[in-house]
Amino acid sequence: DTAVSQTPKYLVTQMGNDKSIKCEQNLGHDTMYWYKQDSKKFLKIMFSYNNKELIINETVPNRFSPKSPDKAHLNLHINSLELGDSAVYFCASSLSLAPQAEQYFGPGTRLTVT
Amino acid sequence: RKEVEQDPGPFNVPEGATVAFNCTYSNSASQSFFWYRQDCRKEPKLLMSVYSSGNEDGRFTAQLNRASQYISLLIRDSKLSDSATYLCVVNKPGTASKLTFGTGTRLQVTL
Repeated sequence: DTAVSQTPKYLVTQMGNDKSIKCEQNLGHDTMYWYKQDSKKFLKIMFSYNNKELIINETVPNRFSPKSPDKAHLNLHINSLELGDSAVYFCASSLSLAPQAEQYFGPGTRLTVT
Repeated sequence: RKEVEQDPGPFNVPEGATVAFNCTYSNSASQSFFWYRQDCRKEPKLLMSVYSSGNEDGRFTAQLNRASQYISLLIRDSKLSDSATYLCVVNKPGTASKLTFGTGTRLQVTL
């Protein structure tokens, strides 16, 4: 049973397109996150949601719009894709917003923009 | 100064060796510290939380030095399967838990 799952695993698309990545967790966690890992392997938070409410929006271009239909799901929609958006996007979840709450990551979505 | 700094390595060690990784963090108000492990083309996975008094989990020992803002990870009796990138992770104090990841230290254990 996968704890945090993401679809699709790979996404290849052209510049200017709009695409979505879905994330689901079956851990009963309240908090979910989106991270971006670039070609230099630097992992950086983009957004976090707690009980469907946006908590962190880390100066991400507004072409990126997260949506949380319920606390088990956090989707990421990206408009007008650019070459620089190519990266691996990881979804994660944690029990709560507490600083000591451990985060569990999904398998990642490898996005390539051509 | 970077928020979380690690030596990128790679550390190439033979099986059975003991290896130590260090990490420094810039925000003295940080409260939570972790080591994550990331295999090539995989997601980061929590290896262990780091507690003030230091903690051990099998062959892995983590230490925290708040005065020097320094975290370490010691791996004893290295196995081939320990080959991975080890990420030092520190929470950024604020209204919500936000983790800052180091760029990782790559470990390669060889026969």
